[in-house]
Amino acid sequence: AQSVTQPDIHITVSEGASLELRCNYSYGATPYLFWYVQSPGQGLQLLLKYFSGDTLVQGIKGFEAEFKRSQSSFNLRKPSVHWSDAAEYFCAVGARAAGNKLTFGGGTRVLVKP
Amino acid sequence: DVKVTQSSRYLVKRTGEKVFLECVQDMDHENMFWYRQDPGLGLRLIYFSYDVKMKEKGDIPEGYSVSREKKERFSLILESASTNQTSMYLCASSSLSGSNYEQYFGPGTRLTVT
Repeated sequence: AQSVTQPDIHITVSEGASLELRCNYSYGATPYLFWYVQSPGQGLQLLLKYFSGDTLVQGIKGFEAEFKRSQSSFNLRKPSVHWSDAAEYFCAVGARAAGNKLTFGGGTRVLVKP
Repeated sequence: DVKVTQSSRYLVKRTGEKVFLECVQDMDHENMFWYRQDPGLGLRLIYFSYDVKMKEKGDIPEGYSVSREKKERFSLILESASTNQTSMYLCASSSLSGSNYEQYFGPGTRLTVT
């Protein structure tokens, strides 16, 4: 069975500083990996996804993520955080063998200090 | 533009009541999903459906049932609501075509059972 761990429950970062959110997954075959963002009172919006190919993936809102097979990780990064990036972020893993289902991590809540 | 709508943003019900949560998508997607979201636990899959009248249990189906009579509509039913079902409920849909596992989410229904 696949699983996803997001080790950081909360992260506080100053506006303009860099941000890195960690995601570790467990799955035997090549996974499909996703990062979603949930702003307060909203549903989830896809930031980026990795299926194959280049291991550095660019997403919306200036985010990027790097797939590292050797470390079973898919960490999300942003060079300079804006106040509007305050939200909860979810990493998810899917696989063809899982029949289009996604398994989500517990989420990381990001607070942005002015 | 992709759209998933949920019938209510906020719902308050009493213990023992039968509760219906409705989800509608306008993207002609084959797959539809119901999740519950709780702090620290991320999203957990309750039920999903690959086609009309088809349903499969997710990770936490106990106390829930679902109905999919039309392709665009997927209903979650709490037969006898209990206080431990107080949660945020999220509906999502995805397409089978092109191996696209991206799920599109509705805004969520925050259910309180008193």
